[in-house]
Amino acid sequence: EDKVVQSPLSLVVHEGDTVTLNCSYEVTNFRSLLWYKQEKKAPTFLFMLTSSGIEKKSGRLSSILDKKELFSILNITATQTGDSAIYLCAVGRRGGTSYGKLTFGQGTILTVHP
Amino acid sequence: DADVTQTPRNRITKTGKRIMLECSQTKGHDRMYWYRQDPGLGLRLIYYSFDVKDINKGEISDGYSVSRQAQAKFSLSLESAIPNQTALYFCATSDFGENTGELFFGEGSRLTVL
Repeated sequence: EDKVVQSPLSLVVHEGDTVTLNCSYEVTNFRSLLWYKQEKKAPTFLFMLTSSGIEKKSGRLSSILDKKELFSILNITATQTGDSAIYLCAVGRRGGTSYGKLTFGQGTILTVHP
Repeated sequence: DADVTQTPRNRITKTGKRIMLECSQTKGHDRMYWYRQDPGLGLRLIYYSFDVKDINKGEISDGYSVSRQAQAKFSLSLESAIPNQTALYFCATSDFGENTGELFFGEGSRLTVL
């Protein structure tokens, strides 16, 4: 059974802080790891990682994957109140019939205070 | 207009009632999914469909059924709702492309079973 564990489950910081969110996984025939941001509505896509050691970056957010140690981190620098959200990590298996059938972690609730 | 539309957005019902959640999409994707979100558990896959004639159970299909009425429409039914089906339900779509990996989510349907 595939498993995705995120830590911490919740985090409270002040604006300007840097945060690191963790995601560890166990999955058969790993294809990709994805990060989503969920505010009050639908999760929105942040990153998809398939190769170890290659950092993906978008503005103040960055993420990297370690396929040997089976984990990923999501970094947010200079946090803003608009970064307050649930951050979801998910993994997908290789194979056409597995596509889209992601296994999600519990999510990390990030709260950024002014 | 949203690419993936769910109705109703909120529903309160009583134990034993039949409930249908509907999803329609304008993205032209063949693949559609129903996920359920509970606090602390992340998102879990209920059912998925890779085309109109294809329906598959996910990890938590008991107590649910689905219908793929057309490429763009995928509905989820609870034949006899029970309180532990109280949750936030998401419909999602994806395109088959190994370089994307994205799920596109609807806005969610919050169901409360009393």
